[in-house]
This record gives sequence, C-alpha cells and structure tokens, in this order.
Amino acid sequence: AQTVTQSQPEMSVQEAETVTLSCTYDTSENNYYLFWYKQPPSRQMILVIRQEAYKQQNATENRFSVNFQKAAKSFSLKISDSQLGDTAMYFCACLTGANSKLTFGKGITLSVRP
Amino acid sequence: DTGVSQDPRHKITKRGQNVTFRCDPISEHNRLYWYRQTLGQGPEFLTYFQNEAQLEKSRLLSDRFSAERPKGSFSTLEIQRTEQGDSAMYLCASSVLRGVPDTQYFGPGTRLTVL
Repeated sequence: AQTVTQSQPEMSVQEAETVTLSCTYDTSENNYYLFWYKQPPSRQMILVIRQEAYKQQNATENRFSVNFQKAAKSFSLKISDSQLGDTAMYFCACLTGANSKLTFGKGITLSVRP
Repeated sequence: DTGVSQDPRHKITKRGQNVTFRCDPISEHNRLYWYRQTLGQGPEFLTYFQNEAQLEKSRLLSDRFSAERPKGSFSTLEIQRTEQGDSAMYLCASSVLRGVPDTQYFGPGTRLTVL
C-alpha cells in the first residue's frame, strides 16, 4: 500500500511570485506514477502535472514544474508567476502499476493574493 | 471533447433512503473509477471497472454500496439505507488503459447530504 503526505494545510503567495508545494510519498513498488491535481473552489479536479518514476528528468508544464527526488520520496510542485486563477486546493497523488487506484494526500489550500 | 459527467450534481436525502448516482466517462475510456471525498480531505478510492468488469473494491465500500457498469459505458453507484456518515462528494474518473496506467480524468462530482 502507498501513502501520500502533504504536511502544509495552506499557503499564500503574492501574484506573480513563485511558490512551492511539498509532498512526500511512500510505496514499495518500483513502477509508479505521481500526479498533482488542482481543485478550484466548487469546481472539478483537473490534472496539473504527471511524473513517471522511471524518468529522471523532472516534468514541466508551462508555469508548473516538479522537483522529483526519488531517493527521498519527495515530489514538490513549483508554480512560477502565480496567477489569481491558481487559487485552489492542490492534491498530490500516487498511482502504482500493481493496482490502478490513486492514493491522494490531504491537499493544500493555495491562495494567490492580488 | 466531452469530459466526464456526473448526475445529479447535488443530492439531499433522509437517513435510510436509497440513492443512485450516474457517471458517464469520456468516450473510448475503458477504465472507470469511483472515489469519495469528505470535507478537507483528499479523495479515497472506492472501486474501479475495466470495461464492464469490476476489478477492485475498497474495504470502504460496505455492503450497502453497489456499483455497476453494465455495458462498459456509464456506471451507477447505489447507496442503500443511507447514513449520515455517507455525506460526502462522490467523484467519478475515467482513463484509457494503454498497457501502462494512464491519467485519470475527473468529473464534477455528486455532493450527497444525508439528513
């Protein structure tokens, strides 16, 4: 079984600045995938970025990038040039090849201040 | 491109009543998942289907819960004899299996309130 830990319940950032959201995970599988999902207030969850554990290169998606430290089992999300629309709850999640269920962290509420 | 849809979006019911939710996945997605999310928490896995076969059920899914995907397209989740602890957001997600686990795309959810 895998576990995902997001220890920061909330963060705040000024518009246009950079923020990093932390996540650690634990799994006994060698083949797994890590995700960050965004859930805006009263709106549906959408995928932000995905990382395959076998890839050493950190994934990037426009203003979003990850810092994947496999040995430390750490998977943080960096948001550059924060925008008001980035205000949301962010969930880190792990999916293994052995089963197909996503295991989520508790999430972090990010507020972007104008 | 039509995303995952869920119906209804909100359901208020009295304790002891039965409720049924529907999920329509993205067309050509052969995997369908149900999760439950309580306030301030991340979603928790309930069950998933590959085509019409239900492949895994969480121990969270008590005997009062049943899910079907009769033709490998839409799915229903039924809760019998609802309890106040069943109040939550029920999320559906779908993905397409291409030999490796693929990204799951989520619907808007059904928010259940049990009075």
